[in-house]
Amino acid sequence: DTAVSQTPKYLVTQMGNDKSIKCEQNLGHDTMYWYKQDSKKFLKIMFSYNNKELIINETVPNRFSPKSPDKAHLNLHINSLELGDSAVYFCASTPFGGAQKSSYNEQFFGPGTRLTVL
Amino acid sequence: ILNVEQSPQSLHVQEGDSTNFTCSFPSSNFYALHWYRWETAKSPEALFVMTLNGDEKKKGRISATLNTKEGYSYLYIKGSQPEDSATYLCAFNWDRGSTLGRLYFGRGTQLTVWP
Repeated sequence: DTAVSQTPKYLVTQMGNDKSIKCEQNLGHDTMYWYKQDSKKFLKIMFSYNNKELIINETVPNRFSPKSPDKAHLNLHINSLELGDSAVYFCASTPFGGAQKSSYNEQFFGPGTRLTVL
Repeated sequence: ILNVEQSPQSLHVQEGDSTNFTCSFPSSNFYALHWYRWETAKSPEALFVMTLNGDEKKKGRISATLNTKEGYSYLYIKGSQPEDSATYLCAFNWDRGSTLGRLYFGRGTQLTVWP
């Protein structure tokens, strides 16, 4: 029973291509995130969606566009891939909902997608 | 800019040694402090979530304490084992409205336990 899954696990592509990474969670969580792991293993938040609504949008190039068709899915589309986009991208989810003071939002991470741009 | 600092950056210990490391965070508008364990080639897994000043949490040989007034948390590992080798991340929830759902991660402490 995979709680947070990502596909693909590995993605190797040429510079200039457009690619998508998919994330699905079966935990019934309300909020999902995309993180980028930099070369020093630092997790940088990119986006967060709560019930299909964008709530966090960090300073990320416009080439990155998240899409949430429903609260169980958060996909990441990247246009015109650049060498610097090579990284591991992690999806995460939490039961937390927006600005409500509900559960202490432990985040559950997916296995990561290693993107290599050649 | 909200800074979460962890020290040391890396740590090498012998099997059986006990060790501890620190997470520092802003003491104002505190909501929660998280510790995650991140093994190489895997994804981060939550260890503890602490919310009250003076909280102490324990899971097996690993324990954590929280001081929200001075803005720090300690993670302790008693009798380290090679399987404890991982990066330990702390993450801070800031109690400021719409940012409440966001975790601010530190850069982690990379622990290596030698047999």
